[in-house]
Amino acid sequence: DTGVSQDPRHKITKRGQNVTFRCDPISEHNRLYWYRQTLGQGPEFLTYFQNEAQLEKSRLLSDRFSAERPKGSFSTLEIQRTEQGDSAMYLCASTERLAGNPNTGELFFGEGSRLTVL
Amino acid sequence: AQSVAQPEDQVNVAEGNPLTVKCTYSVSGNPYLFWYVQYPNRGLQFLLKYITGDNLVKGSYGFEAEFNKSQTSFHLKKPSALVSDSALYFCAVRAGWFFNKFYFGSGTKLNVKP
Repeated sequence: DTGVSQDPRHKITKRGQNVTFRCDPISEHNRLYWYRQTLGQGPEFLTYFQNEAQLEKSRLLSDRFSAERPKGSFSTLEIQRTEQGDSAMYLCASTERLAGNPNTGELFFGEGSRLTVL
Repeated sequence: AQSVAQPEDQVNVAEGNPLTVKCTYSVSGNPYLFWYVQYPNRGLQFLLKYITGDNLVKGSYGFEAEFNKSQTSFHLKKPSALVSDSALYFCAVRAGWFFNKFYFGSGTKLNVKP
C-alpha cells in the first residue's frame, strides 16, 4: 500500500516566480485536501476535492493560488508570482468517503512540500 | 464555529513518566476527534481517533486518549514516555457540512528527557 506522495519535497524559488506542487493520494481515496503549515503552527486548510470537483476553498487562498484534480486522481497546487509570505510547508492529505455514512475516516498525509521564497 | 485548542505550547516530561497532552474542542453536534504526531520536516501521522463508544481510545505506539463530553476535552496520554516520543502533537476535529472539514489545533511540542 503506497501512501500519499508529494513532489517536490523542497523548492527554493525567487520572489515573483511560479511554482507547482503535485500530490498523488492513496489510490482508493476520493477526497483530497491541501493544507499550509508555517513553522510552529498547525495546518491551515486551503482547499479540498471530492473526485475532480473542488468543493471548497479557504478565504486564505488568494487568486494567486490555484488547485486542480483533473481526473480525480493526482492534484496540483500552483502558486503564481510567489511572495516571501508564501514560504511554508504545503501538505496534501487524502481520505475516503463512505457512501451513505457520516465521514469518520482519518486523513492520511504526505511528507509535504517545503517552499522557500527568497 | 468549530475549533480546537491546545493550551500548552510545550510539555516536558522525564522518560518513564506518564505524559498528558491537552486538547479541548468546540463543535456543534457530535465531535469526531483525532490525534496526529509530526516529526521534523515530515508530514502528520495518525495516532488515534474517537468517533463514538468507549471514552478511552487506544492508538498507535502505546498512546491513548480520553474523551470527556462534559469538559469538551480529548487529552492524549501515555503511561510511560520514551525519548523517541519527542515530537509535535496535533489535535483535530472533523466537523462541518457532511463532516468534510478537519480543524487542527496549534500543536504541542513534547520533550521527553532521558
